[in-house]
Amino acid sequence: DAGVIQSPRHEVTEMGQEVTLRCKPISGHNSLFWYRQTMMRGLELLIYFNNNVPIDDSGMPEDRFSAKMPNASFSTLKIQPSEPRDSAVYFCASSPGTENTGELFFGEGSRLTVL
Amino acid sequence: AQSVTQLGSHVSVSEGALVLLRCNYSSSVPPYLFWYVQYPNQGLQLLLKYTSAATLVKGINGFEAEFKKSETSFHLTKPSAHMSDAAEYFCAVREGGYQKVTFGTGTKLQVIP
Repeated sequence: DAGVIQSPRHEVTEMGQEVTLRCKPISGHNSLFWYRQTMMRGLELLIYFNNNVPIDDSGMPEDRFSAKMPNASFSTLKIQPSEPRDSAVYFCASSPGTENTGELFFGEGSRLTVL
Repeated sequence: AQSVTQLGSHVSVSEGALVLLRCNYSSSVPPYLFWYVQYPNQGLQLLLKYTSAATLVKGINGFEAEFKKSETSFHLTKPSAHMSDAAEYFCAVREGGYQKVTFGTGTKLQVIP
């Protein structure tokens, strides 16, 4: 079975450019999470969706970050404009839903480097 | 608010020795607790989870953890370390009824031959 699929795996861009990260959750999972991992701050929850609806975006750093989930099989995380401090590994994870114990299934991550 | 604290950002053990990774949690309601493992350049993978059934939880690769409410702890153990256990381990908590999962800062396990 296919797991959570993220793209791109690596992205190098220059400050000021727009970055779009993509995620395809596991089929049948109705919750989707975006996390950011850095050495300094560890794993931070940015936003999560339930049934394609954003539930909690309190972790989104600032207005430069936005996330969408237009359908059950696709989500994007966009950074515009990007800054060097956005350099991190961004993980997408999906979960079967609220009735589940909350186990998360992670993608392999998108490593972003902003120069 | 829910949180977890992992004691020790780095732990070194000899191959064949006991592995003990510590995690304490804070939650206002009975929590769900998890241990995840992350190998280099990979995503996190579930090792085991506590969901209020049995207090001693067995996971993959010979790991287990015991939920101790009186100590608010959920330490991860393995009787005999293997070289392949070298990775970073994360404790996580989810409060029942909420979907948000909060992770600890992680513990890097080094296994010395």
